[in-house]
Amino acid sequence: DIQMTQSPSSVSASVGDRVTITCRASQGIYSWLAWYQQKPGKAPDLLIYGASNLQSGVPSRFSGSGSGTDFTLTISSLQPEDSATYYCQKANAFPLTFGQGTRLEIK
Amino acid sequence: QVQLQESGPGLVKPSETLSLICTVSGYSITSGFYWGWIRQPPGKGLEWIGSIFHDGTTNYNPSLKSRVTISVDTSNNHFSLRLTSVTAADTALYHCARQSVSTNSFDPWGQGTLVTVSS
Repeated sequence: DIQMTQSPSSVSASVGDRVTITCRASQGIYSWLAWYQQKPGKAPDLLIYGASNLQSGVPSRFSGSGSGTDFTLTISSLQPEDSATYYCQKANAFPLTFGQGTRLEIK
Repeated sequence: QVQLQESGPGLVKPSETLSLICTVSGYSITSGFYWGWIRQPPGKGLEWIGSIFHDGTTNYNPSLKSRVTISVDTSNNHFSLRLTSVTAADTALYHCARQSVSTNSFDPWGQGTLVTVSS
């Protein structure tokens, strides 16, 4: 099965910073990748699907890129409400697999 | 607006069967999406359990396949999860979610229900 590895496992950044989170697939998955944001005590929210498509209602400071095995989630200007854990998910075929998560903390 | 709500026992004894229902409101379960279960052990990451289409077609996580059954009840607009022979390792927050057939992404999610496996 294809494994998904995120880096870093945690990151701390200041308001206004540009933040990048990486997700690597153990095999190529074209653009079949989704990104989620999960705040403490809440269910995950879909941010990005198809590697680069912004889900309706998601702020434009979030963007996704990549294809094949290497993907990135970028927050262009970090806001206090972006403090959360972020997960990638392979979406090319069953079984579906999530990355281990990246915890984003605001300094 | 589609909403999903998980329900079921919060405590299950080891070796017994975990049973949960996900009730879908604001959307017909027969309207062309998969419906999935995802779990999250306390303080840990997300694990996909399995998904079902309204015609009953299922896909399961290979690591759980021998113990998992997902079924759908179109007349009551809900779908269900059964996990047999549970152990403490099955203690988790169990979420249900709608899964796009075209992108295989999950949106929206239910808030989740915590199931603890303990005697």
